[in-house]
Amino acid sequence: NAGVTQTPKFQVLKTGQSMTLQCAQDMNHEYMSWYRQDPGMGLRLIHYSVGAGITDQGEVPNGYNVSRSTTEDFPLRLLSAAPSQTSVYFCASMSTGAYNEQFFGPGTRLTVL
Amino acid sequence: AQSVTQLGSHVSVSEGALVLLRCNYSSSVPPYLFWYVQYPNQGLQLLLKYTSAATLVKGINGFEAEFKKSETSFHLTKPSAHMSDAAEYFCAVSDKGYSTLTFGKGTMLLVSP
Repeated sequence: NAGVTQTPKFQVLKTGQSMTLQCAQDMNHEYMSWYRQDPGMGLRLIHYSVGAGITDQGEVPNGYNVSRSTTEDFPLRLLSAAPSQTSVYFCASMSTGAYNEQFFGPGTRLTVL
Repeated sequence: AQSVTQLGSHVSVSEGALVLLRCNYSSSVPPYLFWYVQYPNQGLQLLLKYTSAATLVKGINGFEAEFKKSETSFHLTKPSAHMSDAAEYFCAVSDKGYSTLTFGKGTMLLVSP
């Protein structure tokens, strides 16, 4: 199993540009989430999904869109990038069950100029 | 909403000394708690998790944590620090119907020879 994969690993955008961060998992997990990590802030939840076709907002959803058309994929779209979105983005997945662990991807480091 | 407080953004210890990283949580439902470790420029790795089976939880690399409901705490300890333990540590609690995690802001562990 590849686990949770994310592409790209690094990305530089100009303010106003749009892009999609890709996330895929091959563990047939129902739950998937996107987090952003900023220095001194820990990881904060952007959006999450409890199954194909079901998404909801997390703590910091503004400026981001998600969709979940398949169990495997959960892309994160930046509609109009802003410098405040400079961050490291992590995708995670987990199987249903309250005490199951989340598996994290390797992250995407995004810089918005 | 659930929340996690990690006391001390940085903790410094000498090699061979006791490691104690503090975590307090707030949860409106029975909590499931996790400690993750992040080495520089890497993703998150699960150290251990509390799932209500036992209050003292043993994890990887010699770490353990004790769940204390009366103190709403889940502190992480290791009897003897090693240089390789230098990393950032995150405490997290299950949230959103146990489908996501709410993280603390992290504690950077520094180990000196």
